[in-house]
Amino acid sequence: GIQVEQSPPDLILQEGANSTLRCNFSDSVNNLQWFHQNPWGQLINLFYIPSGTKQNGRLSATTVATERYSLLYISSSQTTDSGVYFCAVEFASGTYKYIFGTGTRLKVLA
Amino acid sequence: GEEVAQTPKHLVRGEGQKAKLYCAPIKGHSYVFWYQQVLKNEFKFLISFQNENVFDETGMPKERFSAKCLPNSPCSLEIQATKLEDSAVYFCASSQRDRGLYNEQFFGPGTRLTVL
Repeated sequence: GIQVEQSPPDLILQEGANSTLRCNFSDSVNNLQWFHQNPWGQLINLFYIPSGTKQNGRLSATTVATERYSLLYISSSQTTDSGVYFCAVEFASGTYKYIFGTGTRLKVLA
Repeated sequence: GEEVAQTPKHLVRGEGQKAKLYCAPIKGHSYVFWYQQVLKNEFKFLISFQNENVFDETGMPKERFSAKCLPNSPCSLEIQATKLEDSAVYFCASSQRDRGLYNEQFFGPGTRLTVL
């Protein structure tokens, strides 16, 4: 069936370290977004990235739609980066709704 | 407005009571989506609207859940006779979708429903 899988499920980093989060999806997609859910539950929109590469400060993302994956890079991590990171995918066969991945829980230690 | 607004922020109901949640999409956005997040990680799509018309309701538990988007009013999601398993955060999102496949969704802050 249609799936969105994220890895790793959990990640603990020391402040200043870099990390790569991965999102694999099972079928062709029309749209993809990365979100950060902070400890207060708020969903922060990081990137709208159905294909290609984007950068925003210490964060960047790459989606290779033909190979069915997307990567989120966090460089020089800070304690405020802690939270859960989700990718959400609109499959080409769907009706505009997003299917969310299971998330990567990140904890950055001071 | 420039942001998706959701009210209330928190809602507490006894089992069997009714709960009603509201969402004001970004002005000019024609699509509205409702998602339910349980256990902090699992998101489930509930329903979407194109303007005031239901677009996709495949995720709705139809026996107790209903939703509307009426002109010049906030959209609403209503749960009749709440159950313990309805405890969750309910997110509303809106998108413009007037340029081909472009469908960036903008999410509101969510409503946390607790059923006791």
